[in-house]
Amino acid sequence: AQSVSQHNHHVILSEAASLELGCNYSYGGTVNLFWYVQYPGQHLQLLLKYFSGDPLVKGIKGFEAEFIKSKFSFNLRKPSVQWSDTAEYFCAVVFNNAGNMLTFGGGTRLMVKP
Amino acid sequence: NAGVTQTPKFQVLKTGQSMTLQCAQDMNHNSMYWYRQDPGMGLRLIYYSASEGTTDKGEVPNGYNVSRLNKREFSLRLESAAPSQTSVYFCASRLAGVPYEQYFGPGTRLTVT
Repeated sequence: AQSVSQHNHHVILSEAASLELGCNYSYGGTVNLFWYVQYPGQHLQLLLKYFSGDPLVKGIKGFEAEFIKSKFSFNLRKPSVQWSDTAEYFCAVVFNNAGNMLTFGGGTRLMVKP
Repeated sequence: NAGVTQTPKFQVLKTGQSMTLQCAQDMNHNSMYWYRQDPGMGLRLIYYSASEGTTDKGEVPNGYNVSRLNKREFSLRLESAAPSQTSVYFCASRLAGVPYEQYFGPGTRLTVT
């Protein structure tokens, strides 16, 4: 079965540090890729998405992600994190255009120290 | 627009009790979803409704039932709650077609003792 892996479960950074969160999936076919963020006590919000075209995707709040098909990866990056980026981040994938089946990774909990 | 709303926000049940979680969206979306969120496991799909009048099982449907009442509303029912159903439940919705992004409600935190 297709799966999504986020290898970093907890990440602690200081403000202004650079961020990269890993996301890998196990499928060689068509994928649509998403990063969601869940701030403490809030619901999931879409950070960015990749459907087709330029593999470098820019999202809200200075986040970006790069789709590398050969590595089955869609890593999330931010050059300089802020305390307000403290949240849990989820990578999610739609495999083979099965639009109703959004498969989530286990999440990465990011804490940014002021 | 309120987006996706869920009631209640919190609920405590005893083992064997039943309850229904309510979800509504005002975005005229076609598809609606119920997920559960457990630590370290991300979100897992319980049931979904691709369109009004249809429902389908997701990854973890056992112990749950759903009703797509109309285009706006999609409810999740636990007939006989078990401690393993302690979780945070999220409802989501989306328009038909690409790019498949879903919009989530605020969640219901359920504890079964």
